[in-house]
Amino acid sequence: EAEVAQSPRYKITEKSQAVAFWCDPISGHATLYWYRQILGQGPELLVQFQDESVVDDSQLPKDRFSAERLKGVDSTLKIQPAELGDSAMYLCASSLGRSGYEQYFGPGTRLTVT
Amino acid sequence: AQRVTQPEKLLSVFKGAPVELKCNYSYSGSPELFWYVQYSRQRLQLLLRHISRESIKGFTADLNKGETSFHLKKPFAQEEDSAMYYCALHNTNAGKSTFGDGTTLTVKP
Repeated sequence: EAEVAQSPRYKITEKSQAVAFWCDPISGHATLYWYRQILGQGPELLVQFQDESVVDDSQLPKDRFSAERLKGVDSTLKIQPAELGDSAMYLCASSLGRSGYEQYFGPGTRLTVT
Repeated sequence: AQRVTQPEKLLSVFKGAPVELKCNYSYSGSPELFWYVQYSRQRLQLLLRHISRESIKGFTADLNKGETSFHLKKPFAQEEDSAMYYCALHNTNAGKSTFGDGTTLTVKP
């Protein structure tokens, strides 16, 4: 069964360093989501792509976070510079479309900023 | 602004007892509502959606627009139901999803 892949699974970095996460959605899924999940909270949407276009990045801290999905397939989320408050689980999900479709989640990347 | 509230962080019941996980939402349009579940050491996965009106693993959820609720219910809880449950609202206009903070369900033997 096809699954969403993410790497790395764990990342420890020092504050002020750059860090990048990668996501490979299920083949054929046009919509890709990046979420941040702080311990004890639900996933918070950071950015949503439809194919290669960003359709929602209203919660993305654009001064330090960037995301791209150049060919409308896999995606990269970058943080530069990382801050202590960025420590969280970063989840990627994909779905066939934007409305009414099930989201399939990856295993997540656990980021610790020291 | 859309919001999802799950008032109970923790819920503990005995095996065979009924269980209800509460979810309230605020949204001005017609919402699409989902329940996602995360079992220990597994990834988040869809449990059910209000559109399909189906029962999954014995769970059901009814959308009550008057009370803006989408509570998840099961008449007889099983130990394997122990997990974290998230209620989610999808904005059909903007295509944006909002998740609640989750309820940890523990079913005791």
